[in-house]
Amino acid sequence: GDSVTQMEGPVTLSEEAFLTINCTYTATGYPSLFWYVQYPGEGLQLLLKATKADDKGSNKGFEATYRKETTSFHLEKGSVQVSDSAVYFCALSDRGYIPTFGRGTSLIVHP
Amino acid sequence: DAGITQSPRHKVTETGTPVTLRCHQTENHRYMYWYRQDPGHGLRLIHYSYGVKDTDKGEVSDGYSVSRSKTEDFLLTLESATSSQTSVYFCAISTGTDDNQPQHFGDGTRLSIL
Repeated sequence: GDSVTQMEGPVTLSEEAFLTINCTYTATGYPSLFWYVQYPGEGLQLLLKATKADDKGSNKGFEATYRKETTSFHLEKGSVQVSDSAVYFCALSDRGYIPTFGRGTSLIVHP
Repeated sequence: DAGITQSPRHKVTETGTPVTLRCHQTENHRYMYWYRQDPGHGLRLIHYSYGVKDTDKGEVSDGYSVSRSKTEDFLLTLESATSSQTSVYFCAISTGTDDNQPQHFGDGTRLSIL
């Protein structure tokens, strides 16, 4: 079946550091890929998405590129802020309406 | 804003009591979902619905039932709550017209079973 693997956290960075959160997937079809963000006490929010190979999703300074050859969708940001501290989830949607989520990666950004 | 409201937001109850959580949406989307979120497990799908009276099980459905008598409401019931069901419960909807659309989540219900 489909699966999503994310790097374990927490990832701890200083403000203005470069961020990478790795995400790899397995799927039988041609999935759409998503990154969600969850702030404390809230539900998940869509951060960005990509629907086909080589697409780049971007939002709020975050980017991720759909790499079919490496089955990856790594999340990057050039300069993180304290306000980016949250839990980040990678997810895919292949066939049907049931997505597959990774376990989430906690990001902590210190001033 | 996809207009999802979960109620209650917090609940403390005792083992063996029935509990019902409500998810309400304002936009008549077809697909609705219930997840639980626990440390070390991420999000796990409990049940989902693809229309009025049309529901199916997710990966952790034991001990839970659901009902959807109206498009806008999706209820999750714990018939006899156990301490292992202490968790944060999220409702979600799928807003798109094809099967590769993102989900939109409510703000969660924190349920503690003593």
